[in-house]
Amino acid sequence: DVKVTQSSRYLVKRTGEKVFLECVQDMDHENMFWYRQDPGLGLRLIYFSYDVKMKEKGDIPEGYSVSREKKERFSLILESASTNQTSMYLCASSGSGTGSLNEQFFGPGTRLTVL
Amino acid sequence: AQRVTQPEKLLSVFKGAPVELKCNYSYSGSPELFWYVQYSRQRLQLLLRHISRESIKGFTADLNKGETSFHLKKPFAQEEDSAMYYCALRGGTSYGKLTFGQGTILTVHP
Repeated sequence: DVKVTQSSRYLVKRTGEKVFLECVQDMDHENMFWYRQDPGLGLRLIYFSYDVKMKEKGDIPEGYSVSREKKERFSLILESASTNQTSMYLCASSGSGTGSLNEQFFGPGTRLTVL
Repeated sequence: AQRVTQPEKLLSVFKGAPVELKCNYSYSGSPELFWYVQYSRQRLQLLLRHISRESIKGFTADLNKGETSFHLKKPFAQEEDSAMYYCALRGGTSYGKLTFGQGTILTVHP
């Protein structure tokens, strides 16, 4: 079974703090993704990575950065948290190839509140 | 640019009634379409993909390229179908990147 884990289920931070969200997958997947999930807006892609040290911007990268130093770990960084970054953050991973090989598997999510 | 639209934010039906969750997309090439589901307190998971042409938990979805739609259907809804449903699209060479719709919350009443 694919396992995608996220470091925290709930996180409360103050405006201006630097925030790290960690994601780890155990299936040797090449691709990893960070989304935020907001009611009425669905899932929006923040950043993704297709290999170690490789990253690409998604649809809403502003205010975020990422790091992928090891294949199994993908970190999302909020350099200076703001209240409009209060959201549910989902990490996902997938293999390369076609068909079921590239199914995205999701972590349980981290609910971040910025006060 | 690719876009996925789910026009219904909320959908309520009674147990045993048919249900259809709408999904429309815009994409210039040949997309792959998916439905993902998130049950209460569970993680988001794949329900079905159009290329499989299979029925999962009684749900089916047909890709209609003429109408650019991928509606999810079930003839007889069950209470355990209550969940958040997302339609998603994957374009060509995009490292598996998905574009999601806004989501539809389905509630099946007893």
